[in-house]
Amino acid sequence: EVQLLQSGGGFVQPGGSLRLSCAASGFKFSAHAMSWVRQAPGKGLEWVAAISDSGTRTDYADSVKGRFSIFRDNSKNTLFLQMDSLRAEDTAIYYCVLRIQSWGQGTQVSVSS
Amino acid sequence: EIVMTQSPLSAPVTLGQPASFSCTSSQSLVNSDGNTYLSWLHQRPGQPPRLLIYKISNRFSGVPGRFIGSGAGTDFTLKISKVEAEDVGVYYCMQTTQFPHTFGQGTKLEIK
Repeated sequence: EVQLLQSGGGFVQPGGSLRLSCAASGFKFSAHAMSWVRQAPGKGLEWVAAISDSGTRTDYADSVKGRFSIFRDNSKNTLFLQMDSLRAEDTAIYYCVLRIQSWGQGTQVSVSS
Repeated sequence: EIVMTQSPLSAPVTLGQPASFSCTSSQSLVNSDGNTYLSWLHQRPGQPPRLLIYKISNRFSGVPGRFIGSGAGTDFTLKISKVEAEDVGVYYCMQTTQFPHTFGQGTKLEIK
């Protein structure tokens, strides 16, 4: 059974940093691209970033480009999202996603002064 | 960026009756490999989204047969043949043909 166990969310002031983690199990992690998707309070879904199976290719939404970094450790079956220069508009639930077919439980990120 | 537009934004439906949701993309979703990467997801309040349909019309594992996806190019439809109480929530279309991947704004299904 595919499991995506997320951690690392929390409360941070504008300009601060957070790192999200997603521990994967139940499938061959190193063989699959992964993504992060977020959902602001009361809003729809927004794709944030994606990374290829090997980690050599990454893509980002314009809204986070230059501030967020997606990376992975295939030896530890873990996906990461490093979020720097956080803004109030980054406040959202962040989901770790395997090929849009499996979603983590979500982790809350709140950015406020 | 491909813009996904869904309609209606709200769909009140009687139990046992059909429901239909529309999704239009600002450009063709046909990929260079010949596939069209248009998916439908369902989200209940307080839960992560769940994949229903991928590549226009393929039901994901465990999805009931009452969910039917169709369309081509830029126009796509999700139909529920007979709405059940568990179908309430928001339905999103999503394209993964081209980066950045994009979602429609969602259609909220509620029971009359």
